[in-house]
Amino acid sequence: EAQVTQNPRYLITVTGKKLTVTCSQNMNHEYMSWYRQDPGLGLRQIYYSMNVEVTDKGDVPEGYKVSRKEKRNFPLILESPSPNQTSLYFCASSLTIGRAPYGYTFGSGTRLTVV
Amino acid sequence: KQEVTQIPAALSVPEGENLVLNCSFTDSAIYNLQWFRQDPGKGLTSLLLIQSSQREQTSGRLNASLDKSSGRSTLYIAASQPGDSATYLCALNQAGTALIFGKGTTLSVSS
Repeated sequence: EAQVTQNPRYLITVTGKKLTVTCSQNMNHEYMSWYRQDPGLGLRQIYYSMNVEVTDKGDVPEGYKVSRKEKRNFPLILESPSPNQTSLYFCASSLTIGRAPYGYTFGSGTRLTVV
Repeated sequence: KQEVTQIPAALSVPEGENLVLNCSFTDSAIYNLQWFRQDPGKGLTSLLLIQSSQREQTSGRLNASLDKSSGRSTLYIAASQPGDSATYLCALNQAGTALIFGKGTTLSVSS
């Protein structure tokens, strides 16, 4: 089954403790991205990657890091989490046509709570 | 800067009713538009994707239309069912690197 898999689904952590949320896709998509969803603010892009070793900032990149060493994986790293990073996080992947993403598939989400 | 507005924010209908969800946007220079469904606390499920050159797409009881000149898209749901209850999100692929989402319409279908 074609899918984007995120882990963990739920995570409670303490301020300052480094964490990684994993994302993997089995569709051979070149494009991958991370979003966060907050009440009243909707979905906002954190980082995206057009291909292996190519990443760039989205709208809200502060406090996050990403890497794209393999095509299928795109982990989201919070080096020093803070309570304002408490949110619902989604990973997405997409085909590209030309250089533009076409038709996004989203993971099931990771609910992160930072206390 | 592109702005995406979805009206209404919430909608309650009895089972069996046909309904229309609206999405408006301010910049017509888009690659495509995608409608998603999100159940509470869950991920996003893609419903329909309309390319900028298309006028509409259909899947089962769902029909999405796109009018770039007026900056509007509609999602038509025929013969609504309680299982259709969810939040429906409209998203534009504009600059080619990020989807720009509306805030969604939360639909409740009562039996």
